[in-house]
Amino acid sequence: KAGVTQTPRYLIKTRGQQVTLSCSPISGHRSVSWYQQTPGQGLQFLFEYFSETQRNKGNFPGRFSGRQFSNSRSEMNVSTLELGDSALYLCASSSADRLYGYTFGSGTRLTVV
Amino acid sequence: AQSVTQLGSHVSVSEGALVLLRCNYSSSVPPYLFWYVQYPNQGLQLLLKYTSAATLVKGINGFEAEFKKSETSFHLTKPSAHMSDAAEYFCAVSGRGNNNDMRFGAGTRLTVKP
Repeated sequence: KAGVTQTPRYLIKTRGQQVTLSCSPISGHRSVSWYQQTPGQGLQFLFEYFSETQRNKGNFPGRFSGRQFSNSRSEMNVSTLELGDSALYLCASSSADRLYGYTFGSGTRLTVV
Repeated sequence: AQSVTQLGSHVSVSEGALVLLRCNYSSSVPPYLFWYVQYPNQGLQLLLKYTSAATLVKGINGFEAEFKKSETSFHLTKPSAHMSDAAEYFCAVSGRGNNNDMRFGAGTRLTVKP
């Protein structure tokens, strides 16, 4: 079956702009989680959505938001971009109980200039 | 809340040598534990998982890990390193139940010398 699909793969934005990233989970997976990966901070949990509801949230400012659609596809949005938002953003999907772990997408590399 | 600590941000071994990557967890309840591998500019790939069945877990590519509750450890091993094992490895913990997200360690970069 198809894996987790993240689009776009690469993105360059200017400070102050906003950006929307997309994630399509594995068919049948209703949980989608987002992570920010940077060399200095490692993998930081952003939020998790399950059945269109945010189920868990990390410690990120309100500029970072997300949503999930009825088909389980998810988007995350970052408003008023800062240079420090440059990172690899990873999406992962799983079954509701995470019993089989997460399946990750290849990520979106965001560069803020 | 659950957390994991990976001991050693960089590990270097010779090809054919034993690989040992260390992970200790902190959890107030029996956790789920995972090891992932990441190659450059790619997402994370699941190597193996512990979800309270056998304490010795075998994964892909010849890796295995042993859950030791008394030591709160879940170290990753491979008897003989291959050049293709060079990558970054992440240990992760998740609580059971729906309101527990997955938390990752800082990662260990494995270098394999010829």
